[in-house]
Amino acid sequence: DIVLTQSPATLSLSPGERATLSCRASQSVGSYLAWYQQKPGQAPRLLIYDASNRATGIPARFSGSGSGTDFTLTISSLEPEDFAVYYCQQRTNWPITFGQGTRLEIK
Amino acid sequence: EVQLLESGGGLVQPGGSLRLSCIASGFTFSSYAMSWVRQPPGKGLEWVSGISASGGGTYHADSVRGRFTISRDNSKNTLYLQMNSLRVEDTAVYYCAKSTEQLWNSDYWGQGTLVTVSS
Repeated sequence: DIVLTQSPATLSLSPGERATLSCRASQSVGSYLAWYQQKPGQAPRLLIYDASNRATGIPARFSGSGSGTDFTLTISSLEPEDFAVYYCQQRTNWPITFGQGTRLEIK
Repeated sequence: EVQLLESGGGLVQPGGSLRLSCIASGFTFSSYAMSWVRQPPGKGLEWVSGISASGGGTYHADSVRGRFTISRDNSKNTLYLQMNSLRVEDTAVYYCAKSTEQLWNSDYWGQGTLVTVSS
């Protein structure tokens, strides 16, 4: 199975700051890497698919980059509603796998 | 508006069975792959099972293979997850999720149904 390792586990930042979240794969996933946001009590929301494509309705402050084994989700200027847990997910090989998540909290 | 409505969760004893259902609306159900994803309380996401648009292809995580079966009825716009031989570690919120055109990315999710396996 492809293991996705996210770092850091927790990121403490203030509104207006830039957030950089990392996801590293145990083997190449090409560009087949997605990012999801999950808030407490809610289902996940697709943010980025295939490494760098924003999903429908996702604000431009969210961007994704990377290929192969190293990927980054960047939030250019944090809004209060962006504080949540973020998961990466690969779809290159079955089983589909998620990273363990990065909690983005208000500093 | 796309909607996914799960049902069938509840409390079951270890070794028992449950069948989850997910009724879809607002899109052409028969055109999209679907998945079940679970989340144990306070923990991360785990992909459980996926099924192709036609139902001809099914996929299960190692942790549930041989115990869980995913299926769909495109005439009823409904996705199912039959769960047998349930274990305590199967306790989780179970979400159904719709794939995008890029297979196995999920752009719409249900609200989730809680399955609790406990004696």
